[in-house]
Amino acid sequence: NAGVTQTPKFQVLKTGQSMTLQCAQDMNHNSMYWYRQDPGMGLRLIYYSASEGTTDKGEVPNGYNVSRLNKREFSLRLESAAPSQTSVYFCATGERARRSQYFGPGTRLLVL
Amino acid sequence: QKEVEQNSGPLSVPEGAIASLNCTYSDRGSQSFFWYRQYSGKSPELIMSIYSNGDKEDGRFTAQLNKASQYVSLLIRDSQPSDSATYLCAVTRGAGNMLTFGGGTRLMVKP
Repeated sequence: NAGVTQTPKFQVLKTGQSMTLQCAQDMNHNSMYWYRQDPGMGLRLIYYSASEGTTDKGEVPNGYNVSRLNKREFSLRLESAAPSQTSVYFCATGERARRSQYFGPGTRLLVL
Repeated sequence: QKEVEQNSGPLSVPEGAIASLNCTYSDRGSQSFFWYRQYSGKSPELIMSIYSNGDKEDGRFTAQLNKASQYVSLLIRDSQPSDSATYLCAVTRGAGNMLTFGGGTRLMVKP
């Protein structure tokens, strides 16, 4: 039972490159979330998916797209990376009724 | 005004003491409140949730909620060096029950 997994753990990109961050969960949760964490800014919600087949913007969606591939998987795509997207990205899952969320180990992204 | 505010710290307490962490929130409609612990370089880990006014105890941890004052706190009794971490307060808001996080309080427990 792995919980929430994220790949890759660490990535370096050049400005303008694209990449997809992957998240998978085996907790059978309906809701999945993508956050970024920056020093002094705390955790900020990028996108979320309340259930399979739905996605919605969070607080800071610009420059990102998401795909809820199935109940288990939720990916985050950077189409043209910018240095401002250097951050730690966390995926989380939750059961809406209980509202608590459980986090993956994170992806550290550096955009040069 | 930030939606969820925490003192960034660091809060330094001696081993065995009670650590008191505080959080205020701005949305009176908030319904659920959480405390997460985050060790350096790691992901947030849920340690407490509280949904109604009063105290909720779990081992050495006690969460306190006062909706009238829009205030939630976390008490850690018999603090241990292993409790040294950043503690994040999170609040659900709005129809979508999204979590909003405070900036976190760094706790240092000194042997």
